[in-house]
Amino acid sequence: AQKITQTQPGMFVQEKEAVTLDCTYDTSDPSYGLFWYKQPSSGEMIFLIYQGSYDQQNATEGRYSLNFQKARKSANLVISASQLGDSAMYFCAMTLNTNAGKSTFGDGTTLTVKP
Amino acid sequence: DVKVTQSSRYLVKRTGEKVFLECVQDMDHENMFWYRQDPGLGLRLIYFSYDVKMKEKGDIPEGYSVSREKKERFSLILESASTNQTSMYLCAAGSTNEKLFFGSGTQLSVL
Repeated sequence: AQKITQTQPGMFVQEKEAVTLDCTYDTSDPSYGLFWYKQPSSGEMIFLIYQGSYDQQNATEGRYSLNFQKARKSANLVISASQLGDSAMYFCAMTLNTNAGKSTFGDGTTLTVKP
Repeated sequence: DVKVTQSSRYLVKRTGEKVFLECVQDMDHENMFWYRQDPGLGLRLIYFSYDVKMKEKGDIPEGYSVSREKKERFSLILESASTNQTSMYLCAAGSTNEKLFFGSGTQLSVL
């Protein structure tokens, strides 16, 4: 069975600094995708970034990058130059390509950006 | 942008009632999902569907059933609501190995 682990229930970062949110995953399937979503206090889930298991390069989307270490089964999210609007809950998720898109989520990390 | 619409933002029901949560997507995604979100527990998959009339149990299907009679609509049914089903319910739609599009959620309270 697939599993996502986010070990940091809460994180603090100073505005304009970079922060890394940890995510490890467990699957025996070789073909999968890793996702990060942001959930602000309004409750909407916002897609941030995607990494495929066969992608050679780490994914980047603006201030977001995904530090993908396949051998360690980790997919950490790095947010550069934090902004106050980055304060939110962040979820790591994994989808197996062979399982009709079933997505498993971690428990989430609450990020608070301090001014 | 893809829109996923959940019929109610807030819902209050009584123990033992049959509850229907409706979800509609406006794109042609084959996969649809129902999650519940509880503090400290993240999103837990209840059921998902990869085609019309096809459904599969997720991690916590007990006490729930689903219906997908049309591609765009995926309904979650609580056969006999209980207080431990008080939660935020999130519907999502997407294609395999692509990002999910979420509805705005239904906060269900069972009294």
